[in-house]
Amino acid sequence: AQSVAQPEDQVNVAEGNPLTVKCTYSVSGNPYLFWYVQYPNRGLQFLLKYITGDNLVKGSYGFEAEFNKSQTSFHLKKPSALVSDSALYFCAVIVPGTYKYIFGTGTRLKVLA
Amino acid sequence: DAMVIQNPRYQVTQFGKPVTLSCSQTLNHNVMYWYQQKSSQAPKLLFHYYDKDFNNEADTPDNFQSRRPNTSFCFLDIRSPGLGDAAMYLCATSRDSGGANNQPQHFGDGTRLSIL
Repeated sequence: AQSVAQPEDQVNVAEGNPLTVKCTYSVSGNPYLFWYVQYPNRGLQFLLKYITGDNLVKGSYGFEAEFNKSQTSFHLKKPSALVSDSALYFCAVIVPGTYKYIFGTGTRLKVLA
Repeated sequence: DAMVIQNPRYQVTQFGKPVTLSCSQTLNHNVMYWYQQKSSQAPKLLFHYYDKDFNNEADTPDNFQSRRPNTSFCFLDIRSPGLGDAAMYLCATSRDSGGANNQPQHFGDGTRLSIL
């Protein structure tokens, strides 16, 4: 069965420190992977995607993610966290052959000043 | 800016009273989606349109219906809302890239539905 796991419900990090939000996936075939961020009372905003090519993907607002095929992971990273990065983050994978996402359960990131 | 717009942002209705939520897009995307999101959980897909082709999720209640009269507009109708239907409803769009669906979805800011 296809699935996406975000093992941490919440991640706390001090402002200025690097952050990592973890995502692992299980999908048949080549995965199309996405990260989204959601601020309170807002829709999801696209951050970045991995389709093929370079395993390190750079996205919006200084975020990047590393695709690791052997570990079936797609962790979101940022070298220096900002308080304004505090939000809910979702990892998602496209169900192959469809237009549908499988979302992870979400990780709440809190960046402490 | 091209975008996905949902109206209203907040909707209050009475138990059992039909309600319609609307979504419009200026992106000219051919795929449109409706999601239900509760309490910071992952969004749950209700249905999606590929152009005018309607695709219902197997576990979407019969109480929920949708209309897409043209490319730009899509509506979510809840025929007899129950207390369990209180949630954030998100509309999204994406562009079909020649059969390889690797394009991101663009989300509106949602309509928060409350049931009295």
